[in-house]
Amino acid sequence: DAGVTQSPTHLIKTRGQHVTLRCSPISGHKSVSWYQQVLGQGPQFIFQYYEKEERGRGNFPDRFSARQFPNYSSELNVNALLLGDSALYLCASNLAPGENTEAFFGQGTRLTVV
Amino acid sequence: GQSLEQPSEVTAVEGAIVQINCTYQTSGFYGLSWYQQHDGGAPTFLSYNALDGLEETGRFSSFLSRSDSYGYLLLQELQMKDSASYFCAVSSNTGFQKLVFGTGTRLLVSP
Repeated sequence: DAGVTQSPTHLIKTRGQHVTLRCSPISGHKSVSWYQQVLGQGPQFIFQYYEKEERGRGNFPDRFSARQFPNYSSELNVNALLLGDSALYLCASNLAPGENTEAFFGQGTRLTVV
Repeated sequence: GQSLEQPSEVTAVEGAIVQINCTYQTSGFYGLSWYQQHDGGAPTFLSYNALDGLEETGRFSSFLSRSDSYGYLLLQELQMKDSASYFCAVSSNTGFQKLVFGTGTRLLVSP
């Protein structure tokens, strides 16, 4: 069975540009969460989506947005990129929120903003 | 605010036992998880404690004391492949799956 898949794996963007990152959860998982991991730190929660609705949001500016599609895949969008947005963006899927089961992480998208 | 503290680095030799501690201060607590992350890889789940006590999974064990806001991960019979970063993470009972991660402990296992 395929795990959580993310695309692209690596991306280089210029300050001020926009980026879209994609995530496909494990088959049967309906909840997708996004995390940002800056080098040397732990992942930080950005969003959780369940049944196409936002269920939770971390302390990130409005430049960050996301959505979930009927097939439970998800996109993370970041506008007006800043150098500080350079990080590994991780997607995690679960069966459903609030169950506190383990989170299954994808390999991430390494975003570099120059 | 929410914070989780872990040692930044731990070193050990193959075959040894190592304990990685985690103390937390969070608003709302449901359970404590541990994740392993190799350089360039995805975090992978190791264990989860919702109740006080010890959970054992093979060479790895995890302990939780809710009254002390403290937990630890115990790795036994260390192998070179255990060299990685280890994160504790708190999940809150707010109805959605938000994990608050610690800063991570880098474990270096030498021959």
